[in-house]
Amino acid sequence: DIQMTQSPSTVSASVGDRVTVTCRASQNISRWVAWYQQKPGKVPKLLIYKASSLENGVPSRFSGSGSGTEFTLTINSLQPDDFATYYCQQYNSNSKTFGQGTKVDI
Amino acid sequence: DVQLVESGGGLVKPGGSLRLSCAASGFTFSGYTMNWVRQVPGKGLQWVSSISTGGSYIYYADSMKGRFTISRDNAQSSLFLEMNNLRVDDTAVYYCARGSSGFAYWGQGTLVTVSS
Repeated sequence: DIQMTQSPSTVSASVGDRVTVTCRASQNISRWVAWYQQKPGKVPKLLIYKASSLENGVPSRFSGSGSGTEFTLTINSLQPDDFATYYCQQYNSNSKTFGQGTKVDI
Repeated sequence: DVQLVESGGGLVKPGGSLRLSCAASGFTFSGYTMNWVRQVPGKGLQWVSSISTGGSYIYYADSMKGRFTISRDNAQSSLFLEMNNLRVDDTAVYYCARGSSGFAYWGQGTLVTVSS
């Protein structure tokens, strides 16, 4: 199975900061990556698909980039509502593995 | 509105079985790949299984192969997960989710607890 390795596991940030989360795939997955946000007690919310396509309704401060094995989620001008855990997911192969998550806290 | 409602979770002993259901509404169920994802409380997301629109293509995470069976009933807009030989480490919230290029819709989840 393709492994997805996220870093860092935790990032401490302040409102207004730019935050970057990285995901590395164990093999080439083209651009078949999605990013999710999950808050405590809530279901995951799809933010980005196909590495850089913004899901409807997601604020433009979220962006994704990358291809092959290296992918990045960037949050520009962090807002109070953005403190959450973020997951990457690959869907290049028949298995659709998630990264281990990155918690963005204050 | 798209709705996914899971049911069937509960407490089961190690080695036992459970069948989860996911009732879908608000969209053409037969037109979408469906998935199960689980999450141990306080831990990360783990993809469990996916099934194609017509049920011909089915995939499982390695740790579930041979124990879990995914199926769907397009006429009833329902998704199922049959879980056998359950282990303590199968304890988790199980979500059904729609999609194949990112999971845009999720149910609220059903808790499965495997304990003696």
